[in-house]
Amino acid sequence: EPEVTQTPSHQVTQMGQEVILRCVPISNHLYFYWYRQILGQKVEFLVSFYNNEISEKSEIFDDQFSVERPDGSNFTLKIRSTKLEDSAMYFCASSESGGNTGELFFGEGSRLTVL
Amino acid sequence: AQSVTQLGSHVSVSEGALVLLRCNYSSSVPPYLFWYVQYPNQGLQLLLKYTTGATLVKGINGFEAEFKKSETSFHLTKPSAHMSDAAEYFCAVSPMNTGFQKLVFGTGTRLLVSP
Repeated sequence: EPEVTQTPSHQVTQMGQEVILRCVPISNHLYFYWYRQILGQKVEFLVSFYNNEISEKSEIFDDQFSVERPDGSNFTLKIRSTKLEDSAMYFCASSESGGNTGELFFGEGSRLTVL
Repeated sequence: AQSVTQLGSHVSVSEGALVLLRCNYSSSVPPYLFWYVQYPNQGLQLLLKYTTGATLVKGINGFEAEFKKSETSFHLTKPSAHMSDAAEYFCAVSPMNTGFQKLVFGTGTRLLVSP
């Protein structure tokens, strides 16, 4: 069964360092998303991406964050200068279609710990 | 704005007992409602969803949920719990006019099943 895969599963970094989280969406999917969950808190929408551009982003997704689809298979989330409060589980998701018909398929998550 | 409240961060049941996980939502527009499950070390998996039509929705693994507009609820039930149901369950809402992309999640309920 096709699945969304994420790497790394866990990354520990020092405050101020750049981090790149990688995702391989399901191959025929066109819409890509990042969500995050700070420990003990809700899963929160960060950004959606379609046709090589951001379609929507939340207020959390500030200038420190960026997303990219560098090739035909990967979808990345970059945090330029990590802060302690960026420590969270980051989930990538993809859907075949957007809008009212697209079911989201989630990856297993990448746990980021900022020291 | 939309929000989701899941009552009880942990619910414990015995194998064979009824499972009831509560979810109440707030939405200024008609909502789409979802239940996702996360098994240990896995991603979020869609259990079931309510979009329009029948208010009693059946999902995978014997789970079902009923949309009650008057109570703004979407509680998840299963008549008889199995050990394999032990997982974290997330209720989510998306406003009908934007579709599935931007899900708003609850904080999750961990279901514990004892023999």
